[in-house]
Amino acid sequence: GQQVMQIPQYQHVQEGEDFTTYCNSSTTLSNIQWYKQRPGGHPVFLIQLVKSGEVKKQKRLTFQFGEAKKNSSLHITATQTTDVGTYFCAGNSLHGSSNTGKLIFGQGTTLQVKP
Amino acid sequence: GAVVSQHPSWVICKSGTSVKIECRSLDFQATTMFWYRQFPKQSLMLMATSNEGSKATYEQGVEKDKFLINHASLTLSTLTVTSAHPEDSSFYICSARDTSGRASDTQYFGPGTRLTVL
Repeated sequence: GQQVMQIPQYQHVQEGEDFTTYCNSSTTLSNIQWYKQRPGGHPVFLIQLVKSGEVKKQKRLTFQFGEAKKNSSLHITATQTTDVGTYFCAGNSLHGSSNTGKLIFGQGTTLQVKP
Repeated sequence: GAVVSQHPSWVICKSGTSVKIECRSLDFQATTMFWYRQFPKQSLMLMATSNEGSKATYEQGVEKDKFLINHASLTLSTLTVTSAHPEDSSFYICSARDTSGRASDTQYFGPGTRLTVL
């Protein structure tokens, strides 16, 4: 079945350093979404990427969707302690030419930021 | 953004009992809702897709007779864990799919229900 792999599993950085998490799907996606989950909390939607090669920015966060719509990345510039949490990518499976709506989650990358 | 509520937020029950979890979309109609399970320090695993007015679609390995899903209205889906056992203890999270034009087919997650089976 479809799989979404995400690396690294954990990342410890010093405050102010940059951080990147990568996501790869075994199949082409209709779109990809990114979520952030704080410890004890639930996933919170960050962004959705739809177009091949799309790049979107949210303040210090930059999201990219690969040309083949099979990979994506999230880059955080100059991390802050408020960035702590687990970042999940989630691919929307592509069944034929229709969007099934099913999200397949990556394993997540847990970010720790040392002040 | 859109709001999805879940009730209860946590529940402790004895082994063998059944537990019902509600998922509501508060400000939009959701023809499709999804149920996920998350074990500690793991990712979200999709259990089933709940469709309003029709039977739920279960993922491989998920017992439909153990995890009963009812999508009674466009704003409510329920998950009942029947004859719960300690291995069913987990964080259960629902999401509702907003297919209205404003949201570009985004899923919004509920706050989750932490189930502990003694």
